Amino acid sequence: DQQVKQNSPSLSVQEGRISILNCDYTNSMFDYFLWYKKYPAEGPTFLISISSIKDKNEDGRFTVFLNKSAKHLSLHIVPSQPGDSAVYFCAAPGGGADGLTFGKGTHLIIQP
Amino acid sequence: GAGVSQSPRYKVAKRGQDVALRCDPISGHVSLFWYQQALGQGPEFLTYFQNEAQLDKSGLPSDRFFAERPEGSVSTLKIQRTQQEDSAVYLCASSLAPSGAYEQYFGPGTRLTVT
Repeated sequence: DQQVKQNSPSLSVQEGRISILNCDYTNSMFDYFLWYKKYPAEGPTFLISISSIKDKNEDGRFTVFLNKSAKHLSLHIVPSQPGDSAVYFCAAPGGGADGLTFGKGTHLIIQP
Repeated sequence: GAGVSQSPRYKVAKRGQDVALRCDPISGHVSLFWYQQALGQGPEFLTYFQNEAQLDKSGLPSDRFFAERPEGSVSTLKIQRTQQEDSAVYLCASSLAPSGAYEQYFGPGTRLTVT
C-alpha cells in the first residue's frame, strides 16, 4: 500500500514553460514533505520542503504547494530549464519507519 | 566539503555470494540511513542508525541483510547469500538531525547486480 503516490511516471515540458509535478499521500500523520531531484547515476539531492503548517514554500524558481484537505502537494518549476530534466521524488518522514517514504518518481523532460 | 561517499559504485555478484557495501557519511552527521532502490521505483527504507545505535531495521527484507556502524561514522551493509531479487541500487544517506524527520544527504549509491 503506497503512502506517497506520484501517478505520472513522466512529464514533458517545453523550455521556458511551467513544470508542475504532483504528489498525493494517504497517511494523514505526515506533517513534513520533501522533494528530491535525481540525475542518472547520482544519488537524490534535496530540492525543497514544506511543513504542514504552511500551504506554500518558495525558493527561486521552485515553489511547493500543499493542500492538506486533499492530501495533495505539487512542485512548480518556472521557468523550466534544460538542467531541470531529471527524476523528481516526493517524500515524507514516517510512514511506519524512521526513514523517508518516497513516491515512485516523475521523470521530467525539458524540451528545447 | 565532502559529501556522502559509497563504495564500490558497481558490484556484480554471483547468486549465493556475500557482498559488503560501504558508506562514508558527512563528517559529524548523527543519523545514517540505508535505502534500496529497484528499477523504476523510489528508494525504500532499509535501516537507520543514530550514531552507532541501530534504532530501526524494520525495512530489512530478510535476515540475510545486516548493517553496522560500529564507531558511529562509516557504515557497512552486508548481504549474505545474494539472490537475484537483491539486484538494486543501494543508497546511503546521512543527516545532521538525530531523527529521520528532516533533510537527508544521499550518496551516489552502489548498483548491485546478482547474476
